[in-house]
Amino acid sequence: DAKTTQPPSMDCAEGRAANLPCNHSTISGNEYVYWYRQIHSQGPQYIIHGLKNNETNEMASLIITEDRKSSTLILPHATLRDTAVYYCIVRVASGGGADGLTFGKGTHLIIQP
Amino acid sequence: DVKVTQSSRYLVKRTGEKVFLECVQDMDHENMFWYRQDPGLGLRLIYFSYDVKMKEKGDIPEGYSVSREKKERFSLILESASTNQTSMYLCASSLTDLIMNTEAFFGQGTRLTVV
Repeated sequence: DAKTTQPPSMDCAEGRAANLPCNHSTISGNEYVYWYRQIHSQGPQYIIHGLKNNETNEMASLIITEDRKSSTLILPHATLRDTAVYYCIVRVASGGGADGLTFGKGTHLIIQP
Repeated sequence: DVKVTQSSRYLVKRTGEKVFLECVQDMDHENMFWYRQDPGLGLRLIYFSYDVKMKEKGDIPEGYSVSREKKERFSLILESASTNQTSMYLCASSLTDLIMNTEAFFGQGTRLTVV
């Protein structure tokens, strides 16, 4: 799986959009970009994933650059409950089997009141 | 909602004890995983299973074994607990999709302390 690079921490004001960057310059054509987050003392939670098109769901938007070497997770109206560690993961589709997700150190997003 | 339930939230065991960590999922997922999480090291995969009675080693299987006798249940076994196995243990499950990979669902974690 391709390696990802994320800033270790970020601050964002409550109510503003939080934009979390991720670099994955060695991503290959069949690898998806996944985002998970982990709120303190809880298990990781899936947020969103995509291959090359931008994606949006009820939690967030995922913007992937045209060359797919980087992506941005956008939380449109951050709340205090969005304070968490956010993980960007790239991996190939599992096909008939499965292997685990490789979590890096992630970005600690702190939402300021 | 998918539920992944781990049997204990907190556990304290003595060195040398045999420890069982249980995980149950209710969505008929084929794949189940055990991770441990330690400060500064992130989440590391211990074992995973893609079918009943099937198991595969992850990145750090030493000192652990697993059992998957039923599809919904995946057990992590510490044959002889040691203090360096003090950690947060996380179970996850996912569905196998041949076309597009799907997300993993995690339990709340078991914080194990070995004294």
